[in-house]
Amino acid sequence: AQSVTQPDIHITVSEGASLELRCNYSYGATPYLFWYVQSPGQGLQLLLKYFSGDTLVQGIKGFEAEFKRSQSSFNLRKPSVHWSDAAEYFCAVGPTLGDYKLSFGAGTTVTVRA
Amino acid sequence: EAGVAQSPRYKIIEKRQSVAFWCNPISGHATLYWYQQILGQGPKLLIQFQNNGVVDDSQLPKDRFSAERLKGVDSTLKIQPAKLEDSAVYLCASSSHEQFFGPGTRLTVL
Repeated sequence: AQSVTQPDIHITVSEGASLELRCNYSYGATPYLFWYVQSPGQGLQLLLKYFSGDTLVQGIKGFEAEFKRSQSSFNLRKPSVHWSDAAEYFCAVGPTLGDYKLSFGAGTTVTVRA
Repeated sequence: EAGVAQSPRYKIIEKRQSVAFWCNPISGHATLYWYQQILGQGPKLLIQFQNNGVVDDSQLPKDRFSAERLKGVDSTLKIQPAKLEDSAVYLCASSSHEQFFGPGTRLTVL
């Protein structure tokens, strides 16, 4: 069975500082990995996804993620955080290419302080 | 293109009452999903449709939850009767080459 663990429930970061959110997955086959962001009262928005190829994936809003098979991780990073990045972030894993029956982690809430 | 539409956005009911949620996916998207997101948790898949057929409903509590997608477009999710633990946001999503989520329906069961 596929599963995702996000070890950090809440992270506070200063505006302009870098951000890294951790994600560990458990899946027997090739994982299809996603990061979503959810702002208050909004639906989930896809930041980026990894299917295969280059292990460093670029996404929207200046985010990137690195897939490390040896560590079963898919951590999300942003070099310089903006106040608008305050939101909840979810890592997810899917079973096969094109199948979006996703298993989500519990999420990490990001607070940005001025 | 228009996004995934859901209604109502908010619903408050008492336990043992019934409730229904509606979802209109993005035009042309054959696959539709319903997720339940309890406060403090990530979304959990309830049911997946491909056109008007059910692909996976293994996590749907079938004693009280039902869903249909009769014409392969709109879908409704029903809870009857509701329990306190059903309080959550119910998210609808549709996919073609990419998955898009609706804004969700926030259900509060008192």
